[in-house]
Amino acid sequence: QVQLVESGGGVVQPGRSLRLSCAASGFTFSHYAMHWVRQSPGKGLEWVALISYDGSHKYYADSVKGRFTISRDNSKNTVYMEMNSLRAEDTAVYYCAREVTTIVLVKAFDVWGQGTMVTVSS
Amino acid sequence: DILMTQTPLSSPVTLGQPASISCRSSQSLVHSDGNTYLSWLQQRPGQPPRLLIYKISNRFSGVPDRFSGSGAGTDFTLKISRVEAEDVGVYYCMQATQFPHSFGQGTKLEIK
Repeated sequence: QVQLVESGGGVVQPGRSLRLSCAASGFTFSHYAMHWVRQSPGKGLEWVALISYDGSHKYYADSVKGRFTISRDNSKNTVYMEMNSLRAEDTAVYYCAREVTTIVLVKAFDVWGQGTMVTVSS
Repeated sequence: DILMTQTPLSSPVTLGQPASISCRSSQSLVHSDGNTYLSWLQQRPGQPPRLLIYKISNRFSGVPDRFSGSGAGTDFTLKISRVEAEDVGVYYCMQATQFPHSFGQGTKLEIK
């Protein structure tokens, strides 16, 4: 079945780095744009980044621009988020999400992983 | 950046009664291609979000027809015709017309 599984979360000190992974299965990964969305404890959703189906286009939220880097390896069906210079306010559950892909643009997220928790604390 | 504002933030509803959530954007969500990329998502407790509605009013596959979306420009509404117990959770609107994409603060739907 169609599935996204995030990994790589954990507890990290402020200023350190972490790399998240999102492994996809059950669909042709290389056909889909992928996003990262985060949710701070007890808070709402915040869009973080997008990578196009072939990795040629990337967009970021202002809050992570210059610190986070999204990438993908279509041979491994995996999207990554390299997070540097982490701050306390980056503490959140990080979800990867698939963007709906059809003949016409939809720009909605139809498949979500269960999320991986990142805690930035000294 | 586009700011998305939802009202109410909390909505106690009686089972079988309708519910309505409003979402307003700080600028028009009409894309240069003529489409409006406004979607609605549901997040049940302890679960990731789930897509309900895309492009204002299109129900996603498997979503019950008691859910409907409407609106245009900067004002949008999600309606549930008859609330069921499984509808409890937090509802978010999201705009993908412009980068950075953005979500509303969320509306918590609970049963009276």
